[in-house]
Amino acid sequence: GQNIDQPTEMTATEGAIVQINCTYQTSGFNGLFWYQQHAGEAPTFLSYNVLDGLEEKGRFSSFLSRSKGYSYLLLKELQMKDSASYLCAVRDYTGGFKTIFGAGTRLFVKA
Amino acid sequence: GAGVSQSPSNKVTEKGKDVELRCDPISGHTALYWYRQRLGQGLEFLIYFQGNSAPDKSGLPSDRFSAERTGESVSTLTIQRTQQEDSAVYLCASSLKQGTNTGELFFGEGSRLTVL
Repeated sequence: GQNIDQPTEMTATEGAIVQINCTYQTSGFNGLFWYQQHAGEAPTFLSYNVLDGLEEKGRFSSFLSRSKGYSYLLLKELQMKDSASYLCAVRDYTGGFKTIFGAGTRLFVKA
Repeated sequence: GAGVSQSPSNKVTEKGKDVELRCDPISGHTALYWYRQRLGQGLEFLIYFQGNSAPDKSGLPSDRFSAERTGESVSTLTIQRTQQEDSAVYLCASSLKQGTNTGELFFGEGSRLTVL
């Protein structure tokens, strides 16, 4: 089976940097995703890692260590609009490439 | 359409009634997922289709839940004899075939189900 853990809530200040961690256990790892979900809206894709290392995309970066079953999402120059839930998701190739989500981390950005 | 379309957007039903939720994926997307999201919770995997076959139905909570897909097109999620615990937002997502890109999921806006 799969298990994905991430903190429930985090608070950060506008303009700062925040790191959201995710640990996972899966038998058939085939990629890790981060999605953003604003309250009352559908999740939207942020980043994808399948190899170890850092992927950077503007203010957002995502890191993966497959040997440690660990990823983080780094948000720089925080803006109020970044207040949302951030969902860590793992794709598993056992049973046909299904994507499983963690419970999400609610990020509150304060002025 | 351009995105994943779900209907109805909102459904209020009485306990014990059957409901049917519909999902139109993005054209050309072979993979289709159903997730359930209760208020303030994460996404709970229900079922996954690759084409019209379902390699993994392990997430369906009970035999009251079933899903079908016609080819690589529309999918319906049916909940029979609804219970109050079924109240949630049901999210559908689609993606291109594994190997053609990252396989990111594109979500619909969801169907909010309230069982009274």
